[in-house]
Amino acid sequence: DAKTTQPPSMDCAEGRAANLPCNHSTISGNEYVYWYRQIHSQGPQYIIHGLKNNETNEMASLIITEDRKSSTLILPHATLRDTAVYYCCLNSGGYQKVTFGTGTKLQVIP
Amino acid sequence: DGGITQSPKYLFRKEGQNVTLSCEQNLNHDAMYWYRQDPGQGLRLIYYSQIVNDFQKGDIAEGYSVSREKKESFPLTVTSAQKNPTAFYLCASSGLSEGEYQETQYFGPGTRLLVL
Repeated sequence: DAKTTQPPSMDCAEGRAANLPCNHSTISGNEYVYWYRQIHSQGPQYIIHGLKNNETNEMASLIITEDRKSSTLILPHATLRDTAVYYCCLNSGGYQKVTFGTGTKLQVIP
Repeated sequence: DGGITQSPKYLFRKEGQNVTLSCEQNLNHDAMYWYRQDPGQGLRLIYYSQIVNDFQKGDIAEGYSVSREKKESFPLTVTSAQKNPTAFYLCASSGLSEGEYQETQYFGPGTRLLVL
């Protein structure tokens, strides 16, 4: 039973904002939302995480709805190097077990 | 330059052979993890270790073994009991960054294991 739901694929024009949605309707009060991305045949790269407030760093912004049942990762100006599979994950357990779903394959188009 | 290293990048295993995948981190993280990824799938947790000399089974531990004798190292052995070992293996570590209250997990580059 998946804890997060993401669309399997999305396209985005180069230079435009990429908005990747994630549903996590059964999120617990102490679970954080994490985003990672994985370029083919490489290890996942940490992007950003948040609990209930919106977050921004040099890579992306994370918007979490007030009820925390969904979130959106925003890449403000997508480049070809942003083509990857993006995983939305929830943190659970004291040892921080990260449950990965199948993610969204983002294709940035020139 | 801090990070997680995994070696080798590619590994070939013969039938009935045990192989060991290396994972080293210099991030001073207490916790380390091993995941398995099959084509087109997400990651599944094999084993994790929160401190030296202690480790716990994850969701798919059968056919695998680990050790944690040093904080920096968490090798994974794929034994002959693992009947379908061909996969991409990822090591990760986690720790608290300054000002953070939540550990973030960082991943190594992975080892691809192929059975001959």
